[in-house]
Amino acid sequence: NAGVMQNPRHLVRRRGQEARLRCSPMKGHSHVYWYRQLPEEGLKFMVYLQKENIIDESGMPKERFSAEFPKEGPSILRIQQVVRGDSAAYFCASSPSSRGEAEAFFGQGTRLTVV
Amino acid sequence: AQSVTQLDSQVPVFEEAPVELRCNYSSSVSVYLFWYVQYPNQGLQLLLKYLSGSTLVESINGFEAEFNKSQTSFHLRKPSVHISDTAEYFCAVSRFSGNTPLVFGKGTRLSVIA
Repeated sequence: NAGVMQNPRHLVRRRGQEARLRCSPMKGHSHVYWYRQLPEEGLKFMVYLQKENIIDESGMPKERFSAEFPKEGPSILRIQQVVRGDSAAYFCASSPSSRGEAEAFFGQGTRLTVV
Repeated sequence: AQSVTQLDSQVPVFEEAPVELRCNYSSSVSVYLFWYVQYPNQGLQLLLKYLSGSTLVESINGFEAEFNKSQTSFHLRKPSVHISDTAEYFCAVSRFSGNTPLVFGKGTRLSVIA
């Protein structure tokens, strides 16, 4: 049973380009969470999705950021017109349940560098 | 809303010495508590969690944490650390009710010195 798969592991974008980060949850998991980790900071929640639905996007910046989790295929975090401040590690986690005690399994992250 | 405070950003400790990583949380509702570990360039792995019952929980690699409701703390301890324990440790909370994400502290970088 493969774990949470994120790709690419490293992504370099020039300012103004688009970044697309992919996350394939563990088999049987329908709950996906995206977090951003800045240097010297903990993980900040961005968005919580279930299949085809955004449940909670309270941590997403209002502009340039969007996320989806289609019926088929991976979850995508999309950042349009990237700026230097978007440079960070982006982690995806999946869970079999929305219940608070359910363990969240994390991918290895995508490290985005904006130059 | 919930918040988590990890008081120490970095903790250096000699090999085979004991260590305590501190975690305090704030919440107006009941929460579950977690410790995650992140090795360099890796994702987070669950180390241990407190859901209910005994306030002392243990991991398979010798770590333990004790839930203290009155002090709203969930400190992580290990009586004798190894070089391989060098990593970043994150404390997190999750509300009892569903549809809520984990809220993380800023992390504590544990460096074990030979």
